[in-house]
Amino acid sequence: GAGVSQTPSNKVTEKGKYVELRCDPISGHTALYWYRQSLGQGPEFLIYFQGTGAADDSGLPNDRFFAVRPEGSVSTLKIQRTERGDSAVYLCASSLGAYGEGYTFGSGTRLTVV
Amino acid sequence: AQSVSQHNHHVILSEAASLELGCNYSYGGTVNLFWYVQYPGQHLQLLLKYFSGDPLVKGIKGFEAEFIKSKFSFNLRKPSVQWSDTAEYFCAARVDNTDKLIFGTGTRLQVFP
Repeated sequence: GAGVSQTPSNKVTEKGKYVELRCDPISGHTALYWYRQSLGQGPEFLIYFQGTGAADDSGLPNDRFFAVRPEGSVSTLKIQRTERGDSAVYLCASSLGAYGEGYTFGSGTRLTVV
Repeated sequence: AQSVSQHNHHVILSEAASLELGCNYSYGGTVNLFWYVQYPGQHLQLLLKYFSGDPLVKGIKGFEAEFIKSKFSFNLRKPSVQWSDTAEYFCAARVDNTDKLIFGTGTRLQVFP
């Protein structure tokens, strides 16, 4: 597609449940990023993929968060045992090469944990 | 730790007024700087970026920003705002050629006709 696609656009889940958030980057973009944006804050880095591998996962807050990109295209962010504090907008971005010379962001998935 | 500060949280202007949004970063090494804009209901879009060279950077829609190394600043400016500039503006920095951006908390701009 023309842009970065994220699904679902909204997700409401109960505390303790498992969720998966999907990102479909721009075709041909090798770099893919996940960010989290809490209310009133700027986006906060979670993880960066170059191809299939996670080149930098230093932003993942704890081991309940995990992300994969098995074929170097679509990525899935997985959150286990969700907590109310996980409620945020999860943003995905992609870029043609490394070093983030201007990402293209998706519209995000708004996750609400009740 | 590296950080980006945007001190103006909410700015209200009338059309045709001039705009300057502050951005300061805390890092003494190599830094690349960005301004992103998020219009209501839309995704984040790149306005402009600075990597090297001329410290005065021109972006889309008449925006510009000036990198002042001695002040650790990268303020965004526009001489005459329009109602359509109503949006949230985020300053971001990339340090030491890493692959992640550090964002400020954003400035909400409201422009009234």
